[in-house]
Amino acid sequence: DTGVSQNPRHKITKRGQNVTFRCDPISEHNRLYWYRQTLGQGPEFLTYFQNEAQLEKSRLLSDRFSAERPKGSFSTLEIQRTEQGDSAMYLCASSLDSWEQYFGPGTRLTVT
Amino acid sequence: SQQGEEDPQALSIQEGENATMNCSYKTSINNLQWYRQNSGRGLVHLILIRSNEREKHSGRLRVTLDTSKKSSSLLITASRAADTASYFCGNRDDKIIFGKGTRLHILP
Repeated sequence: DTGVSQNPRHKITKRGQNVTFRCDPISEHNRLYWYRQTLGQGPEFLTYFQNEAQLEKSRLLSDRFSAERPKGSFSTLEIQRTEQGDSAMYLCASSLDSWEQYFGPGTRLTVT
Repeated sequence: SQQGEEDPQALSIQEGENATMNCSYKTSINNLQWYRQNSGRGLVHLILIRSNEREKHSGRLRVTLDTSKKSSSLLITASRAADTASYFCGNRDDKIIFGKGTRLHILP
C-alpha cells in the first residue's frame, strides 16, 4: 500500500504525559499536513510543511504542540503535557504542491 | 473557524434515491472540494470544482458551484449502501478549511 500511513492508530495516555505521532506521506509528495478532528466536527487544520519547511501553523497549535519534518519525508507531531481536551483524531495528509490532498487513516488519541 | 457549512446536518434516504447536500462558505475561494469520510476508509477526496466552473460531474456525483451565493451542492444519484458516510466541503488555499459535514445514511 503506497498511501499515507500513520502510527500508531490508537493511543491512550494519561493526562500530563507526552505523546508522539508519526506520519509517512506518499513518497513523491512534497507537502504534508496535520489536521485534528473531534466527534461531530470536520477536520481542523493544524500545520503544514513544504519539504522540511513548516510554512503555516494554526492558532490551534498551542506551545505544547510541535511538529517536525526533518528530512522532508516523514513527519512527527508531539504533544507535551497532554490534556483531556487533546483527545481527538489526528489526521495527516500529503499532496504534490497544491494538488489533491490524500489523507491517512488517522491516530485516535484518548487522554484519560 | 470553519469555512464551509454543510446542510443538512443529517440525511436518510432509501437506496436508489438521489441525495443532495449543500455547502455554504464565507470568503472568496479559488476552488472548493468535497470529501467523504467513513469509518472504514477515512477521508477520501471526491471532486474539486474551481471558482470559474459552474458544474462538474464524476460518475454518480454532480457538483455545482454558485460563487455569487457562495454555495455549492453535491448530488449523488442512484444511492448505494456504500454511500453511507459523512460528506464535507472545504475550500483549498494550501490548507483545507472543512465544514462540519453532512451525515448521509442510505436505508436498505
